[in-house]
Formats: sequence, structure tokens, C-alpha cells
Amino acid sequence: DGGITQSPKYLFRKEGQNVTLSCEQNLNHDAMYWYRQDPGQGLRLIYYSQIVNDFQKGDIAEGYSVSREKKESFPLTVTSAQKNPTAFYLCASTPWGGRDNNSPLHFGNGTRLTVT
Amino acid sequence: RKEVEQDPGPFNVPEGATVAFNCTYSNSASQSFFWYRQDCRKEPKLLMSVYSSGNEDGRFTAQLNRASQYISLLIRDSKLSDSATYLCVVKGYQKVTFGTGTKLQVIP
Repeated sequence: DGGITQSPKYLFRKEGQNVTLSCEQNLNHDAMYWYRQDPGQGLRLIYYSQIVNDFQKGDIAEGYSVSREKKESFPLTVTSAQKNPTAFYLCASTPWGGRDNNSPLHFGNGTRLTVT
Repeated sequence: RKEVEQDPGPFNVPEGATVAFNCTYSNSASQSFFWYRQDCRKEPKLLMSVYSSGNEDGRFTAQLNRASQYISLLIRDSKLSDSATYLCVVKGYQKVTFGTGTKLQVIP
């Protein structure tokens, strides 16, 4: 079955440590996105990528980094520079280009990160 | 001005009621539009795409007005299981932007 997989589901880290969240998709989608969601709030865009080896900052990129070495994978690193890293992180993908721009986003199940 | 704006609610409605949600977007070059549903502590799930001609899926009707940069969602005959947060989503040339969501609580 095609889908988008985030791991782990729950992640606990000590303050000051970098942590990497995994996102893998086998849908052959070009574009991938990382969003952050805080309790009772909407989704805010961290980074996005439309092709391999290229990515763009979203609205809240400070303290985060990404890579896109393969089409299927878009890992997110939460660095120690992120002031309030505890949140629900969602990865999404979608086809891109031409008529594919009318295609919706597909989401992973999310990773809930707690930093103490 | 936010790129995508929604009334956060909450909307508390009795079972069987009709409820309407609205959403406005600021970028006139936006290309495609969607409504998603998000249950507590879960990922958003696609409810329906939104077209200028309007589209209907059972009790749900969505409408896009490009001239006014306005999207709507109508839910008829509300069920308890409709209780969730409804997210308006706008896909532009590069970015995909979410509204903050409108919370719906259907009451027995």
C-alpha cells in the first residue's frame, strides 16, 4: 500500500540535544512539507521541498533544518536553537506540476516531540 | 493579514442542524482549495476538494468564490461524529497554507 510514514510516533529528548524526525513516502510525490502544530492551534509551515536537493523555508524555519537527498525522504532536524520544540510535527506530500497542482496533501500520522 | 483566515469557533450545534464554515484567502494567484477534517491529536484527513462550480459529497457541500477569495463548507443534518476541527487549505504556486481551523461540536 502506498503511503507516507513518520517515525517515531512519540519522541522524548533532553533540552540542548538535536533530534531528527523521519518522513518517508512511496507515493512518488514530488513535493514534501513539514508542519508544526501546537495544542489548540493550526498547522504552521516549517520547510517544504518540490524537487530533490532543493528546499525552501516556510513561515517558522528558525531552529530547524531539512535535507532532500532522495525523492522518498524528507527528514527534519530540530536543533538546540529551536526555543520551544515541544509540539506535534506533521509531514505531508503531494504531486506537483501541471494538473497535479490540483492534488491534495497526504499526511503521515505525525510525531509528537517532547523536550524537557 | 493572514494568508488564510477562518473563524476559530467553537460552533456548538444540536444534532440534525445545518452549519456553515467560511474561509478567506489573500493570494489571488492561489491554485487549488480543500477542506480537511482533523480529530483531536490526529493528522488532518481530506474531506473534499473545492471548485468554483461547487461540489457535494453526501451531507457536505463546498463552494469557491474566486472573485471574493472566499471558500465555504456546508454540513447538513449534523451527526455526533462530525465533531472535529475543519481546516481550510489553499495550495499556491509553491506553498500549501492551512487556516487555523474551525472547531465544531455537535451536541446530542
